[in-house]
Amino acid sequence: GAVVSQHPSRVICKSGTSVKIECRSLDFQATTMFWYRQFPKQSLMLMATSNEGSKATYEQGVEKDKFLINHASLTLSTLTVTSAHPEDSSFYICSARDLSGGPAGETQYFGPGTRLLVL
Amino acid sequence: GEDVEQSLFLSVREGDSSVINCTYTDSSSTYLYWYKQEPGAGLQLLTYIFSNMDMKQDQRLTVLLNKKDKHLSLRIADTQTGDSAIYFCAVPYQKVTFGIGTKLQVIP
Repeated sequence: GAVVSQHPSRVICKSGTSVKIECRSLDFQATTMFWYRQFPKQSLMLMATSNEGSKATYEQGVEKDKFLINHASLTLSTLTVTSAHPEDSSFYICSARDLSGGPAGETQYFGPGTRLLVL
Repeated sequence: GEDVEQSLFLSVREGDSSVINCTYTDSSSTYLYWYKQEPGAGLQLLTYIFSNMDMKQDQRLTVLLNKKDKHLSLRIADTQTGDSAIYFCAVPYQKVTFGIGTKLQVIP
């Protein structure tokens, strides 16, 4: 099946620093990738939709200057948490939509997630 | 917007069947999905059902869809300890909406 990787899997950083998380589709091309945030014992919250070659679409309440998204190629999207603060600590998960296969191209395949801890 | 609801917790004995339920509000989705999340991991696509089907069986998994009642269920036969995880139903509308997830605990 379609595989999505994320790097790093875990990151600890100091408050005020920036952290970049990579999301890669390994065996398929993805014009659209999604970034989610998951709080403990809660569902996934969609942060933004990343479109290859264009600007990301952010959900209401998500600061685009705080969470920078770049989708420079059909297999890579990056999320940069700028000037991270402890409240940004969370589990960040990306997903990619495989338009070449899957039922009606709607299926999203998820990365393993990145645990961010801001001290 | 879309609203997807699931119960939070289900506990079953190993070898029994598990049934995880989901209700949703929008019925225009072509496919509906079940994902599994193990601790500290991302979501794994478990199965899906086409919206014009009532049932889909895939080995130990059976998905039932009642479009009239907007009810989706996932049945796991012969539940094993390795099935312990959080299960999310997902309904694509304008964007994919996930339920809050049902934590399945399998008791040996």
